Amino acid sequence: DAGVTQSPTHLIKTRGQQVTLRCSPKSGHDTVSWYQQALGQGPQFIFQYYEEEERQRGNFPDRFSGHQFPNYSSELNVNALLLGDSALYLCASSLFRGLYGYTFGSGTRLTVV
Amino acid sequence: DAKTTQPTSMDCAEGRAANLPCNHSTISGNEYVYWYRQIHSQGPQYIIHGLKNNETNEMASLIITEDRKSSTLILPHATLRDTAVYYCIVRSSGTYKYIFGTGTRLKVLA
Repeated sequence: DAGVTQSPTHLIKTRGQQVTLRCSPKSGHDTVSWYQQALGQGPQFIFQYYEEEERQRGNFPDRFSGHQFPNYSSELNVNALLLGDSALYLCASSLFRGLYGYTFGSGTRLTVV
Repeated sequence: DAKTTQPTSMDCAEGRAANLPCNHSTISGNEYVYWYRQIHSQGPQYIIHGLKNNETNEMASLIITEDRKSSTLILPHATLRDTAVYYCIVRSSGTYKYIFGTGTRLKVLA
């Protein structure tokens, strides 16, 4: 049973560019959440998607946006990249918005130069 | 959202029990305690969660004090593979996001 799959695993972008990260949830899960983890820090909640709608959002600017597709997969888009956006981006999937815990993917390491 | 306080780091001898404390003194009645761990370069892994009763699963035990202001995660027989950062998280039933702290870096020593 495949867990949460994220792509790509690593990515290098230039300041000002846009990036799209992808996540396939664990089989049977219907909710996807995104987290940003800077080096040496705990993950920070970006937003959560359930039933193809953004249900909850953390303290991130509008440059961060997302989408959930009918098959429950999700994308995270970041526009106008800043050096400070360099981080590990984690996708977490769950059943019904995470009441019983989340399954995290291994993340996408984004480096902005 | 309640905040949690954990020691920055701990060491444990292989084969011994690892007891990881967490303080959540501002927790309210509908908030759950979750524990996750993160091994280097991987995503966090769910360990266990509870509301007010002690819980046990195949990975660990969770002991929550009667006043719910603190909890302890117990790994009964630590192995080298348990070396990781352990996060204690308090989540309100009205929200579905986790607020991670900096966690406890557990090092299991051979």
